[in-house]
Amino acid sequence: DVKVTQSSRYLVKRTGEKVFLECVQDMDHENMFWYRQDPGLGLRLIYFSYDVKMKEKGDIPEGYSVSREKKERFSLILESASTNQTSMYLCASRLKQGVNRGYTFGSGTRLTVV
Amino acid sequence: SQKIEQNSEALNIQEGKTATLTCNYTNYSPAYLQWYRQDPGRGPVFLLLIRENEKEKRKERLKVTFDTTLKQSLFHITASQPADSATYLCALGDDKIIFGKGTRLHILP
Repeated sequence: DVKVTQSSRYLVKRTGEKVFLECVQDMDHENMFWYRQDPGLGLRLIYFSYDVKMKEKGDIPEGYSVSREKKERFSLILESASTNQTSMYLCASRLKQGVNRGYTFGSGTRLTVV
Repeated sequence: SQKIEQNSEALNIQEGKTATLTCNYTNYSPAYLQWYRQDPGRGPVFLLLIRENEKEKRKERLKVTFDTTLKQSLFHITASQPADSATYLCALGDDKIIFGKGTRLHILP
């Protein structure tokens, strides 16, 4: 069964810490995405990557960066965590652009910044 | 700007009946539209994709319609069961997709 795996289900970090959220997919997908999901706001795109070493800003990139050194791994980095980054973070992947299939999501990481 | 609206935040349906969820969009002409299911504390799971030249698509008890004139998609679950209770998300886009906020469906036994 194909999978997107997020390294942690729950995470608690302190304000100001640098936080790494890891996402790995085993489907040889080219495209990977990071979303955050908040009540009343839905899913919002933070960053995405269409291929290794490539990255593009989504709708809310401020306070975040990403890394994609290998095709299967896409990391989200909170440079200096703040309480307003408390959220559910979801990683997703897709085979590639132009192939109209659904996204495969991970189970999510619920991050609390205290 | 592009906007997606799902008809209601929550919907209660009696077991065995057909549940119908609505997704409307504005300022956009997507080539295809998707529906996802999300259970509490989990990531969304892809259910169905329908293209702009398809009027209707079915998968088991699920049926999706796509009306590009009305800019609307309807998502139907026939013979609904309590296990169908979840949040259902509509998503559209040709490249980067955008998601609606979802409708929480409760199937009452």
